[in-house]
Amino acid sequence: DTGVSQDPRHKITKRGQNVTFRCDPISEHNRLYWYRQTLGQGPEFLTYFQNEAQLEKSRLLSDRFSAERPKGSFSTLEIQRTEQGDSAMYLCASSTQQGNTGELFFGEGSRLTVL
Amino acid sequence: EDKVVQSPLSLVVHEGDTVTLNCSYEVTNFRSLLWYKQEKKAPTFLFMLTSSGIEKKSGRLSSILDKKELFSILNITATQTGDSAVYLCAVDDFNKFYFGSGTKLNVKP
Repeated sequence: DTGVSQDPRHKITKRGQNVTFRCDPISEHNRLYWYRQTLGQGPEFLTYFQNEAQLEKSRLLSDRFSAERPKGSFSTLEIQRTEQGDSAMYLCASSTQQGNTGELFFGEGSRLTVL
Repeated sequence: EDKVVQSPLSLVVHEGDTVTLNCSYEVTNFRSLLWYKQEKKAPTFLFMLTSSGIEKKSGRLSSILDKKELFSILNITATQTGDSAVYLCAVDDFNKFYFGSGTKLNVKP
């Protein structure tokens, strides 16, 4: 499989619990993005990595959210002390920025429901 | 603030109709504009546009970019029920991709 994969696909948790999502990008892609999408909205940028370096984090992202890409391959997104407002689809995407443009390739997403 | 605005937000048509979806943008540094189709899962890529006035075409879908007026359109001719989806526009500013809120297209038989 050469696509972007995400795990788990669905997560139901109680408010206050911590959750972690994993993303495996396309192997030759050096850029990895996390987006959040709620019903009726387009994907909202959370953060992105170039190789293992986290280059930007949305200022809308609270301190409860943290992301890592320790070896420049897979990435994890952790949400601590979840709140009901965190319920959303978390999308991971990867790209290569070689040349003039880089198309985004999305994973199937991890749907989070916070009760 | 950089932003991408799509219109209309939703659209209902009948099979065989032609539709035009709009995307306007304001970004500090423009690299490319991309169109995606999203059904009940992750967005799938349709087109990437970098130059003004050059139409990209794939079957019944086509798209064009105007970098002077900062907008793009996506046309779908002879619509089919399988075209029902949310169509997302995104702009690449060399760092990240800004998405619009999408146009929800419903094609009725």
